[in-house]
Amino acid sequence: DVVMTQSPLSLPVILGQPASISCRSPQSLEYVDGNTYLTWFQQRPGHSPRRLIYKVSNRDSGVPDRFSGSGSGTEFTLKISRVEAEDVGVYYCMQGTNWPVTFGQGTRLEIK
Amino acid sequence: QVQLVQSGTEVKKPGASVTVSCKAAGYTFANYGVSWVRQAPGQGLEWVGWISPYNGDTKIVQRLQGRVTLTTSTSTAYMELNSLRSDDTAVYYCARDVVVASGARFMDYWGQGTLVTVSS
Repeated sequence: DVVMTQSPLSLPVILGQPASISCRSPQSLEYVDGNTYLTWFQQRPGHSPRRLIYKVSNRDSGVPDRFSGSGSGTEFTLKISRVEAEDVGVYYCMQGTNWPVTFGQGTRLEIK
Repeated sequence: QVQLVQSGTEVKKPGASVTVSCKAAGYTFANYGVSWVRQAPGQGLEWVGWISPYNGDTKIVQRLQGRVTLTTSTSTAYMELNSLRSDDTAVYYCARDVVVASGARFMDYWGQGTLVTVSS
């Protein structure tokens, strides 16, 4: 199985400041079709996961543009340009390139 | 709009079975697969399995093979988990996903989750 490693696991951030989460894979996540299936989810307290970013850098409809994804191969990053109160929750990366699907451990974002 | 509506909370004894349903609306059910993901209390996300309503193909995570059965009927996906243990206690989610096993996974829409508690 592809073990996805996130860092940090806890991320205290001051409102209005930027935040960054790293996600690493031990092998390239590029699929046979040339795309890289690295996805980011947000899970607010008490809610289902919500997809934010797919194929590394594509924002889902309705996701604020302060969220951005980048990376390639084995290293990926989720950035929030200016953290707002509604961003509190746990963020997961997921690789969909290989079976089985695997998730990172999650990064808990809190307001400092 | 796309919606996945899951069945309600379940409380089961060890050794019993549970079936969770996931009713889809707002899209053509046969054009997308359904993945199941679980989350133990206070823990992260664990993929359980996937089914294609299009051709019936399934994939199950190795450690649950033999205990999980995935099926579909008209617009509804089902996950049955047998021989329940206390460490199966979790919220179980369904998510819309790729329709063929050769495609990559994307999980764009999720159900609201179903809490399954296993306790004697």
